[in-house]
Amino acid sequence: GQNIDQPTEMTATEGAIVQINCTYQTSGFNGLFWYQQHAGEAPTFLSYNVLDGLEEKGRFSSFLSRSTGYSYLLLKELQMKDSASYLCAVMDSNYQLIWGAGTKLIIKP
Amino acid sequence: IAGITQAPTSQILAAGRRMTLRCTQDMRHNAMYWYRQDLGLGLRLIHYSNTAGTTGKGEVPDGYSVSRANTDDFPLTLASAVPSQTSVYFCASSEELAGVSEQFFGPGTRLTVL
Repeated sequence: GQNIDQPTEMTATEGAIVQINCTYQTSGFNGLFWYQQHAGEAPTFLSYNVLDGLEEKGRFSSFLSRSTGYSYLLLKELQMKDSASYLCAVMDSNYQLIWGAGTKLIIKP
Repeated sequence: IAGITQAPTSQILAAGRRMTLRCTQDMRHNAMYWYRQDLGLGLRLIHYSNTAGTTGKGEVPDGYSVSRANTDDFPLTLASAVPSQTSVYFCASSEELAGVSEQFFGPGTRLTVL
């Protein structure tokens, strides 16, 4: 079966760095996406990785290792507005997104 | 309109009733999707459409139907609602089904079936 695993909840301090991990087992691989979802709102796109390595975009970076089925999202200089759920999703061989349940990130002052 | 709109925002529905959730996008995207989101579970794909005139089944299609008469609109119908269909429903679109194409999401419809 297809499976995406990520921690249910994480807590971090404002100004700090946090890494959210995602492991996956899917039928085929056509890229990995990270989305942000604030409570009661729609998911919004953060990043896309299809090749191994690190993609940096401002305070957010995303890493992919295809051989180990592993990705992480790194958030630097945390701000209170970063409190949200972070969703990992893999595009499978049918070009359908398989979603993890999301990681709720709580930022404390 | 800018992006994707969904209607209604929320709805309480009696079991057995028929309900259509509306979704409209103005980005001229070819692909559109319907997901449901339940607590503790990832988004699950109900139905999708590659382009106007075509639709396909996702992971959890039973009890739902869709149509794609034109590029902009992608309504989702529950023929006879059941309590297990209580969920938050998101419509999304992307330029293409395949390849590097982020999905843009509507604001969601919160549906409660009693």
